[in-house]
Amino acid sequence: GENVEQHPSTLSVQEGDSAVIKCTYSDSASNYFPWYKQELGKGPQLIIDIRSNVGEKKDQRIAVTLNKTAKHFSLHITETQPEDSAVYFCAALTTDSWGKLQFGAGTQVVVTP
Amino acid sequence: SAVISQKPSRDICQRGTSLTIQCQVDSQVTMMFWYRQQPGQSLTLIATANQGSEATYESGFVIDKFPISRPNLTFSTLTVSNLSPEDSSIYLCSVVRPWSSYNEQFFGPGTRLTVL
Repeated sequence: GENVEQHPSTLSVQEGDSAVIKCTYSDSASNYFPWYKQELGKGPQLIIDIRSNVGEKKDQRIAVTLNKTAKHFSLHITETQPEDSAVYFCAALTTDSWGKLQFGAGTQVVVTP
Repeated sequence: SAVISQKPSRDICQRGTSLTIQCQVDSQVTMMFWYRQQPGQSLTLIATANQGSEATYESGFVIDKFPISRPNLTFSTLTVSNLSPEDSSIYLCSVVRPWSSYNEQFFGPGTRLTVL
């Protein structure tokens, strides 16, 4: 089955700097890669996703890149703000998994003013 | 995105008892999932609950411990039975929008369970 590894486990950045979280996956049949943000006491929120036929996607200050050959994808947050502080999870979905996402271990992002 | 609510939002239970968690969606959805998130950990899928069929459980999770009902396309319950302190976790339901172009999955706010 699919295995997703996520790094780093914690990331501390200065407000205004960029943050990058990287994930690798094992199943070459994976074709959908969402990113979730989980704030304390809340459920995970879908913030951006990418399909396997796209190399990059942007939405304001966040972007995701996908390298299918290397089987890794990354989340980029630019101009970080204190409200970006949260746990971020990457995930992967294969076409024959009936909608079941495989999640990475999560990255605790702390943005310091 | 779908609007998903869960009840209760949190509970403290005694060992040996059971807790039933409700998940309500504001629109009809076919695919619904139940996850467990242990303290400081990632999300682990418990089971898939599709309307009109029995729930499908992941390895390590059994129906006797986690019975699930899915009576219609907007509602599901997860019961955690015979509670032990190891069951202390956040339990989350999620849904896939039927009109989604590609399996976009949305989560409820979670139920925080503490077992004493």
